[in-house]
Amino acid sequence: GQNIDQPTEMTATEGAIVQINCTYQTSGFNGLFWYQQHAGEAPTFLSYNVLDGLEEKGRFSSFLSRSKGYSYLLLKELQMKDSASYLCAPKAAGNKLTFGGGTRVLVKP
Amino acid sequence: DVKVTQSSRYLVKRTGEKVFLECVQDMDHENMFWYRQDPGLGLRLIYFSYDVKMKEKGDIPEGYSVSREKKERFSLILESASTNQTSMYLCASSLTGPSQPQHFGDGTRLSIL
Repeated sequence: GQNIDQPTEMTATEGAIVQINCTYQTSGFNGLFWYQQHAGEAPTFLSYNVLDGLEEKGRFSSFLSRSKGYSYLLLKELQMKDSASYLCAPKAAGNKLTFGGGTRVLVKP
Repeated sequence: DVKVTQSSRYLVKRTGEKVFLECVQDMDHENMFWYRQDPGLGLRLIYFSYDVKMKEKGDIPEGYSVSREKKERFSLILESASTNQTSMYLCASSLTGPSQPQHFGDGTRLSIL
């Protein structure tokens, strides 16, 4: 089975940086996804990590440590539109994702 | 762009009814998935399918069944709806491969009265 732990909620100011941590325990590991979900909308793909290290994609970066069962999503230069839930989803062998409960990020002016 | 379309945005049904939720994708994806999303519980996998006429149980299949007669269509069936199946239902599809992301539909908010 898989256990995924991420904070329930975080608040930050526009222009700031926020780091969303995710720890996981999984039987078999085939990479880790991060998704963004605005209220009332579908989750949308942000990033995928399978090797240790940092993947940067514009204002968003994602980090993975396989040995520690740890990932984080880094949001830089926060904008109001970044207010959303962020879902950590490790992938087990095969094509099956397991989602964490999500971290709700509130960006304040 | 990948398009995953769910037949209804909102649906209200009565306890005991047989309920069909339909999902269609237009990108020839092999894999399709049904999730439900509840506050505090996140997205939970109900059923998934790797190919036409193939299905696999997810983490919470009880009370549900699925049908995949065509590659582009994946149906979720609530055999006899109960109030604890009131939820947001999300369909997703993907290509095969570890790095392939799942693409989600807009969801169906189902209320069972």
